[in-house]
Order: sequence, then structure tokens, then C-alpha cells
Amino acid sequence: KAGVTQTPRYLIKTRGQQVTLSCSPISGHRSVSWYQQTPGQGLQFLFEYFSETQRNKGNFPGRFSGRQFSNSRSEMNVSTLELGDSALYLCASSLGGGEGHTEAFFGQGTRLTVV
Amino acid sequence: AQSVAQPEDQVNVAEGNPLTVKCTYSVSGNPYLFWYVQYPNRGLQFLLKYITGDNLVKGSYGFEAEFNKSQTSFHLKKPSALVSDSALYFCAVRDRNSGNTPLVFGKGTRLSVIA
Repeated sequence: KAGVTQTPRYLIKTRGQQVTLSCSPISGHRSVSWYQQTPGQGLQFLFEYFSETQRNKGNFPGRFSGRQFSNSRSEMNVSTLELGDSALYLCASSLGGGEGHTEAFFGQGTRLTVV
Repeated sequence: AQSVAQPEDQVNVAEGNPLTVKCTYSVSGNPYLFWYVQYPNRGLQFLLKYITGDNLVKGSYGFEAEFNKSQTSFHLKKPSALVSDSALYFCAVRDRNSGNTPLVFGKGTRLSVIA
């Protein structure tokens, strides 16, 4: 069974630009969550999508957005990039069907550097 | 609100010695608890989880964790550390009564096993 796939692995962008990151979950998983990981803040929850609907949202500005497609693949977009957006962005997939005890499976992440 | 504390940023242990990585949590109800490990430039890998029942949970790579409700703790343990266990460890919690709210992670503990 293929794992969670995130593309691209590395990105370098300039301040003010926008970026789109992609995540393909494990087959059969309907929930996709996005996290931002930085050395100082640890793992910060961005948002979660389930069956193409945003089900949960973290405390990030509106520049951060996402969507999920009918095949459960998800994208997140960051507009008007700031230097502070430099981070490892992690995607996690899970069954998401209401069983809160099911674990999430993470992709390898996309390392975004804003210069 | 749910929260997780990992009181040690760094744990150093000699190879062959037992290791403990500490985690305490706060939820309004009963918890689901998880441990993940992250190797350099990789995503998080699931190690083990506590749902209910036996307070001692066994997971991957010889790790185990003990759930202690009175102390609201879920410490990760291994009887004999390996150099290859050196990595970043994350504890996470979800309130059992909160349905599909996101996992809340601690800030992580860096484990260094010295040969």
C-alpha cells in the first residue's frame, strides 16, 4: 500500500509570491490534515479536509487556504509569502470516519524556503 | 482545550541503557494518546497509541508507553536504547469525546543515544 505522497519535496520562493503544495493520501483515506512545522513552534495545525469539505481549521491567516478533490487528494496554497512562512509543511491522512482513535499517517513533507 | 507538554527539549542516553521520554496531557474528557517519531528530513512515523484497556501499550521498534490517568501522563519508554533511536519524538492527544478534532502535538523531544 502506497504511503502519503507530498510534492514537491523542496521549494524556494520569493517574498510576495504564492505557492501550491500537493498531498496524495493513502488509498481509502478520506481525511487530509495539514501541519506547519518550525523549530520554534513545533507542529501547528493548519486545516483538515474530509470528503472535500473543510472540517477543522487552525489559527492561521487567510493567506493559507486549501482544498480537497473528489479522489481525496489535497492542495494547500499560501499567497503573498512572508519570510516567516519558511517551514516544513506536513500532510497527514487518516480514515477520518468518526473513530478518533485512528492514527494519522504522515507524508515526508515539503520544505518551503522563502527568500 | 486539549494540550500536550513534553517537558524536556533534549534527552541524552547511553546505548544499551533504558530511555524515557516524558509526556503529560490535558483534555476535558478521556484521551486518545499517540507517539510519533521523526527522523531528519522525514515526516512523522506512528509508534503507538493508547485507546483503552491495558495501561501499558507496546509499539514499533521495541517502544512502549505507560498511560497514567491520575498523573495525566503517557511516557514513552524502551528498555535498551539503540543509536538508531536518535530522533525527534512527538506526543499527541485527542479528546475521546470530541469526535474528529485535530490531533494536538507537543513541541517534541530530541533523543540522542550515544554509543
